[in-house]
Amino acid sequence: DAKTTQPTSMDCAEGRAANLPCNHSTISGNEYVYWYRQIHSQGPQYIIHGLKNNETNEMASLIITEDRKSSTLILPHATLRDTAVYYCIVARRRSNDYKLSFGAGTTVTVRA
Amino acid sequence: GAVVSQHPSWVICKSGTSVKIECRSLDFQATTMFWYRQFPKQSLMLMATSNEGSKATYEQGVEKDKFLINHASLTLSTLTVTSAHPEDSSFYICSASQQGVNNEQFFGPGTRLTVL
Repeated sequence: DAKTTQPTSMDCAEGRAANLPCNHSTISGNEYVYWYRQIHSQGPQYIIHGLKNNETNEMASLIITEDRKSSTLILPHATLRDTAVYYCIVARRRSNDYKLSFGAGTTVTVRA
Repeated sequence: GAVVSQHPSWVICKSGTSVKIECRSLDFQATTMFWYRQFPKQSLMLMATSNEGSKATYEQGVEKDKFLINHASLTLSTLTVTSAHPEDSSFYICSASQQGVNNEQFFGPGTRLTVL
């Protein structure tokens, strides 16, 4: 599976949009981009995933560049409860070898 | 929907004893379950993948005789840490997916194991 590169940490203000970048320059055609987050001492929580089109759900929006080499997760109105480690993962889907390889992620701190 | 539970949420045991951790998918049938381990201030590391009714596939470096995984039903997988030692103290997390439907992995809340 392709590897991803994320900033180690970022701060954002409560109520503002948080834009989390992720580079995945070696992504292959059948690999999806997944985002999970992990609040301290809890299991990871699924946020969103996409292949090449932009995606939006009740939690976030995912913007994938046309060449698919990078993406941005957008939390439209960050709250204090969004403080967590955010993981960008690239993985094949609908295969028997569907594994999620977690990197270091981005530690996001939302400040009042 | 897509709720995964783990039991116990935390456990303390003596060195040399065995500990069993349960992972249940509460509202869907999990064709595949995954077990991860997370040490303090580190990321999740995949230990093994289990498909219902078949033997688990272990990642390189994970001892299958020490970490016994059973996936006997579509809603339950268990991880048994045999002859636990202090270095096995960690946060163990399972996830479950339903192949062919959405395929997203849904994670349990984790189990904190402390071996004295």
